[in-house]
Amino acid sequence: KQEVTQIPAALSVPEGENLVLNCSFTDSAIYNLQWFRQDPGKGLTSLLLIQSSQREQTSGRLNASLDKSSGRSTLYIAASQPGDSATYLCAVTNAGNMLTFGGGTRLMVKP
Amino acid sequence: DADVTQTPRNRITKTGKRIMLECSQTKGHDRMYWYRQDPGLGLQLIYYSFDVKDINKGEISDGYSVSRQAQAKFSLSLESAIPNQTALYFCATSDPSGAGEQFFGPGTRLTVL
Repeated sequence: KQEVTQIPAALSVPEGENLVLNCSFTDSAIYNLQWFRQDPGKGLTSLLLIQSSQREQTSGRLNASLDKSSGRSTLYIAASQPGDSATYLCAVTNAGNMLTFGGGTRLMVKP
Repeated sequence: DADVTQTPRNRITKTGKRIMLECSQTKGHDRMYWYRQDPGLGLQLIYYSFDVKDINKGEISDGYSVSRQAQAKFSLSLESAIPNQTALYFCATSDPSGAGEQFFGPGTRLTVL
């Protein structure tokens, strides 16, 4: 059974810092990996999707990497802003299009 | 207009009541999913449907049932609600011919007293 772990569970940083969120998964036979953002009490917004054949994806200040063989992904956020405060969820897709989610990292960026 | 909508957005009910949560999508996707999220945790898959005639159980289907009324509609029912079903419920869709990306609705906050 696929298990997804996110470290740290919570993170507080001052505005302007570059930061890295970590995601690890136990079964490397994945179809893709998605990073989502969730604001309190709200739905999920897809940030980046990395196919299993890709190593990274970039969108603005966000860069996600994937090392499938070691079961790891990182989400890099450059020059963090208070508006980046949210919970970030990592999810992997296995055969059959099933998503398995990590527990999330709760990020607070202080002005 | 949102591509994936859920109704109601919030619901408070009592133990033993029957509840239906509805999901509609305008993305034209064949695949639809229901997840629940407990406070501070990730999402867990309840049921999924790959087309109108296909319904499958997910990780935590006990106490839930679903109905796929049309390609665009997928409803989740709690036949007899219990307090530990208090959670945030999300519907999602995906296109099998696409990259596998799932698109989520805004969620329904359900409280069972």
